[in-house]
This record gives sequence, C-alpha cells and structure tokens, in this order.
Amino acid sequence: KAGVTQTPRYLIKTRGQQVTLSCSPISGHRSVSWYQQTPGQGLQFLFEYFSETQRNKGNFPGRFSGRQFSNSRSEMNVSTLELGDSALYLCASSLGGLLAGNTIYFGEGSWLTVV
Amino acid sequence: TQLLEQSPQFLSIQEGENLTVYCNSSSVFSSLQWYRQEPGEGPVLLVTVVTGGEVKKLKRLTFQFGDARKDSSLHITAAQPGDTGLYLCAESGGGADGLTFGKGTHLIIQP
Repeated sequence: KAGVTQTPRYLIKTRGQQVTLSCSPISGHRSVSWYQQTPGQGLQFLFEYFSETQRNKGNFPGRFSGRQFSNSRSEMNVSTLELGDSALYLCASSLGGLLAGNTIYFGEGSWLTVV
Repeated sequence: TQLLEQSPQFLSIQEGENLTVYCNSSSVFSSLQWYRQEPGEGPVLLVTVVTGGEVKKLKRLTFQFGDARKDSSLHITAAQPGDTGLYLCAESGGGADGLTFGKGTHLIIQP
C-alpha cells in the first residue's frame, strides 16, 4: 500500500512569508503527527491530529498550526517565517496514534529553507 | 518533559567491526522505540521495547531495554556500509508530549 506522502519536497521562502505543507497518511490511518528536524535541536514533536481533532501539541509558538481533514489528510502552516524555521518537516501516520506500542510511519519530509 | 540522551553523537568504524550505541533517560520509559534514518528519508522504525530487561534481535542488531526501563542499547555485530545512518531512540508516553526523540547517533560504516 502507498506510504505517507508529503508535498512539496523542497521549497524556499522569504522571511515574513507563510508556508503550508501537506501530508497524506497511509490509507486507513487516522492519526497524523508533525515534526521539525534541525541539526541543532534534532527531531521535535509539533502536534498530532486524530480524526480531525488536535490531540497533542509540542512546545512551539503559535505561528505553527495545523489541521486535519475528514479524509485524514493533514496540513501544517507556519506564518511569519523566520530564518530559524529552516528545517526538515516530517509527517507520520499511524492507526491508533502516539500511544505506547503503536507503529508510526514517516514520510520523506519537506525541506524548507527560509532566506 | 522526558529528556533522552544518546551516545555517542558520532561514530565512524570500519566494516566488520562491532558497535554499541546508547539511549538514557532521566525517568522511566513507558516504552522505547529505535529508528534508523537515512539521508533524504524519514525515520524507519526498527523495534519497540516495552518490558524491563527485554532483549530483541533483528538480524545483526540486538536491542536491550534496561531492567529499570531508564536506558536502552543497540548493538550491531559485523557492521556493514548499509548500516550507515542516523539512529534515533524515541519514547511515547501517550500524553501531551507526543513522541520524544533523542538527538541521535550518526553512524558511518567505512568499507
């Protein structure tokens, strides 16, 4: 079956702009979670959506937001981009969510460069 | 928020050698997952350990979970260039912290 699909794979934005990233989970998966990966901070949890509701949220400013649609596809948005937002943004899907023992599957990520 | 410390941060060894990388926490894990991430790709789950003292084997990879469930190790026997990648440990308590990752061990296996 198809894996987790993220679009776009690469993008360059200017400081102050906003960006929207998209994630299509594995068919049948209701949980989508988002992560930011940088060389300095590593992989950090942004938020999780389950059946269109935000279930968990990491320690990121309000400029980072997301949503999930009825078909489980998810988008995340970053407004007023800063240079420090340059990162690999990863999406992951799972059947039951971020509970102990559940398997989550990652997409290949969206590389965002802010100039 | 649980902090996961991984060591070493970087490791470069020759093909055929053995190695061990570690993941430690300041508090008890509910369960621990190990992932491998190759350049340009997302992390891929290798194993989940749940029970203190648990040992799991995946071909040449051996995963151990400490008795007190505060530490874990990954041992690779006879490393091959295909083992090169970023090895991450992660813990999910199911709470508001979501999935917490260590910063990873960058492993390079030289032919």
